[in-house]
Amino acid sequence: AQKVTQAQTEISVVEKEDVTLDCVYETRDTTYYLFWYKQPPSGELVFLIRRNSFDEQNEISGRYSWNFQKSTSSFNFTITASQVVDSAVYFCALSEAGFTGNQFYFGTGTSLTVIP
Amino acid sequence: ETGVTQTPRHLVMGMTNKKSLKCEQHLGHNAMYWYKQSAKKPLELMFVYSLEERVENNSVPSRFSPECPNSSHLFLHLHTLQPEDSALYLCASSQAPLGTEAFFGQGTRLTVV
Repeated sequence: AQKVTQAQTEISVVEKEDVTLDCVYETRDTTYYLFWYKQPPSGELVFLIRRNSFDEQNEISGRYSWNFQKSTSSFNFTITASQVVDSAVYFCALSEAGFTGNQFYFGTGTSLTVIP
Repeated sequence: ETGVTQTPRHLVMGMTNKKSLKCEQHLGHNAMYWYKQSAKKPLELMFVYSLEERVENNSVPSRFSPECPNSSHLFLHLHTLQPEDSALYLCASSQAPLGTEAFFGQGTRLTVV
């Protein structure tokens, strides 16, 4: 079963619109971590944010904000006033306890295109 | 120097060739990973080296062979690959134990002809 689901495969918005990228995860662990990464055309995954399972506070960083809700197992990502430079593939990921290293489970990604 | 460096960036190889991908991290991390990224599929974890232990995805074919001589270097040796192995191969590192984010290299775009 997929541990991380990103149902939106592709999204297109016009510049300055707000856009929300959805992420739903599945885990039986009580301790886990959630992440968002951005992958521009260059290929490198760029880390954006980490949340642990005990901290449900929403977070805002500039035009980015994240809404973590354990009740619905969701960790959604909103970009406000989108810009062309936001065009990329965005990945949500989950890391669970019980492993010597960090095993990251990634979703299939959402490709965001911001149209000027 | 960037945090995680992968070479080469692009590689074209025949099915009978042997080649190696290289990854180097300058972040002082103690865990390194190989991921395979194919179109329309989730990133697939291939191998993890963490705290001197190796963990592998049992579905990875034996034609892929990792090597981790120290905590800063990671190799992926390739031999007799198939066209379906064409993908972007990403290296990452993190600081074990659980909880820290992984930092990724720019990947090697592999094409098997």
